[in-house]
Amino acid sequence: DTGVSQDPRHKITKRGQNVTFRCDPISEHNRLYWYRQTLGQGPEFLTYFQNEAQLEKSRLLSDRFSAERPKGSFSTLEIQRTEQGDSAMYLCASSLVAGGASGNTIYFGEGSWLTVV
Amino acid sequence: KQEVTQIPAALSVPEGENLVLNCSFTDSAIYNLQWFRQDPGKGLTSLLLIQSSQREQTSGRLNASLDKSSGRSTLYIAASQPGDSATYLCAVRPDTGRRALTFGSGTRLQVQP
Repeated sequence: DTGVSQDPRHKITKRGQNVTFRCDPISEHNRLYWYRQTLGQGPEFLTYFQNEAQLEKSRLLSDRFSAERPKGSFSTLEIQRTEQGDSAMYLCASSLVAGGASGNTIYFGEGSWLTVV
Repeated sequence: KQEVTQIPAALSVPEGENLVLNCSFTDSAIYNLQWFRQDPGKGLTSLLLIQSSQREQTSGRLNASLDKSSGRSTLYIAASQPGDSATYLCAVRPDTGRRALTFGSGTRLQVQP
């Protein structure tokens, strides 16, 4: 168990470019979450998958953002036509729910820092 | 809309002190509450999770309590150490079947050696 892995850890991009972040959850975790965090603030929820199904999306997830989890394992978060306001740390998290249990602890990755210049 | 507030925003204490961090939330219809630790530039580490039916949880020098009806939780850290220096965040999950956590802005703790 290597924990939640995110790649890249840091990305600097020019405004208007597209960026993609990858998240590898803890093995066999069936739930995967994306959050965004800016300096001095707590994380804000973006979206959540159970297996390959995207079950919740925040209104923060504008049409420039898309997330996928094609085989219920790793996930990607793509931001198209980046804007300076997209600069933040993008956090991925995962959890395991088995049977009917849903108390679950959520485990976060180290985050992917995005700077849009 | 759920709002989570953490007081104080920052705290500096000498090593060895016991301390309490506060978290309040506006909507008491929560499923659970979780306390996290975040080191600068890093991800979040889960410390304690309290189900809505529970009153407290303990792990080592940490004790978290929950008063759901009044919308409050506290994180008690006993015998603080410099290694406890970090930002502490609380987050609540709604009792609606949704999975999105609502976080507070955190308390930045500095423990002086």
